[in-house]
Amino acid sequence: DIQMTQSPSSLSASVGDRVTITCRASQGISNYLAWYQQKPGKVPKLLIYAASTLQSGVPSRFSGSGSGTDFNLTISSLQPEDIATYYCQKYKGVPLTFGGGTKVEIK
Amino acid sequence: QVQLVESGGGVVQPGRSLRLSCAASGFTFKTYGMHWVRQAPGKGLEWLAFISYDATNKYYADSVKGRFTISRDNSKNTLYLQINSLTTEDTAVYFCAKDPNWEPLYLDDWGQGTLVTVSS
Repeated sequence: DIQMTQSPSSLSASVGDRVTITCRASQGISNYLAWYQQKPGKVPKLLIYAASTLQSGVPSRFSGSGSGTDFNLTISSLQPEDIATYYCQKYKGVPLTFGGGTKVEIK
Repeated sequence: QVQLVESGGGVVQPGRSLRLSCAASGFTFKTYGMHWVRQAPGKGLEWLAFISYDATNKYYADSVKGRFTISRDNSKNTLYLQINSLTTEDTAVYFCAKDPNWEPLYLDDWGQGTLVTVSS
């Protein structure tokens, strides 16, 4: 099975900072990658699919990039409401696999 | 708008069984694949199972294969997850989620989740 590894596991940044989270697949998955945001005590929300396609309604400060084994989620200007844990998920075949998550906090 | 409402969680003793339900509304349920995902307390997301729109294809995580059964009733717009031989490791919030396709891709709408606590 393909494993998904996220880094860092947590980060602390200031409001307005550019934040990048990395997700690495143990095998190539083309662009079959999604990103989710889970705010504390809330339900996960789809942010990005196909590695770089923004889900409807998601602010444009979020962007995704990458293909093959290495992917990034970037928040161009961190806002207080972006405090959350972010998960990547591969969907090239089953099982679907989530990364371990990256917790983003405000410094 | 899409609404997914899980039910059936609660406190259950180890070794017992449980059936979770997910009532869907706001979309044409019978045309979409559906998933179950769980999240143990303080942990990450774990994909459990997928069922195609017409229930002809079902896929499971290796960790639950043989013990969990996903099913659906399109006449009732309801998704189910049967969990047998519960252990304390099954303690988690269980989410149902909609797939935008008929095959397993990603999860574009999620329910609020139902908490299952396995304890004697």
